[in-house]
Amino acid sequence: KAGVTQTPRYLIKTRGQQVTLSCSPISGHRSVSWYQQTPGQGLQFLFEYFSETQRNKGNFPGRFSGRQFSNSRSEMNVSTLELGDSALYLCASSLESSGRSRSSTDTQYFGPGTRLTVL
Amino acid sequence: SQKIEQNSEALNIQEGKTATLTCNYTNYSPAYLQWYRQDPGRGPVFLLLIRENEKEKRKERLKVTFDTTLKQSLFHITASQPADSATYLCASRGSYIPTFGRGTSLIVHP
Repeated sequence: KAGVTQTPRYLIKTRGQQVTLSCSPISGHRSVSWYQQTPGQGLQFLFEYFSETQRNKGNFPGRFSGRQFSNSRSEMNVSTLELGDSALYLCASSLESSGRSRSSTDTQYFGPGTRLTVL
Repeated sequence: SQKIEQNSEALNIQEGKTATLTCNYTNYSPAYLQWYRQDPGRGPVFLLLIRENEKEKRKERLKVTFDTTLKQSLFHITASQPADSATYLCASRGSYIPTFGRGTSLIVHP
């Protein structure tokens, strides 16, 4: 099976612009989660989508949004970019959503990430 | 909210030795803890999961322990090899929001 793919791999934007990142999950996986990774904060959860519905959301401002399509592919959008948005954005897919069950242990498979640089 | 703490200092060890990485959590006991490996420029790769009612889990050269009294998980790599050099992340999923530690860098010297 092909792994999780993310496009683009690298992106350079300027402050105030907006950006859209794309994620294609492993075939058959219905859950897609997005994370932001920075040296200072580590890996932080943005949101999770399952069957086109946002299941969980992390503590990020409304400038960060996402959506999931019927084929489980997902996009995330960041509007009005700030310098602090420079980070590695990772997407992870899993078979089921583990956000609603404390005992659910569905493994997440991460993509290679999109490196976003905001100038 | 849950916090996952990992030693931010790199762990340097000699090839063949056992590497031990620590993960401490605050607040409530998570239903389980996960360990991931991350290489530079790549996404994390899942290694092992241990539930709160399990004391120990093994997979080949890897071993994970979970001590709810100490609020701690230990991750061991026995007979370490230079190829094991990477950053290792600990994560909890006991709530709806997954929480990751910042990771510990392991450097195995030949």
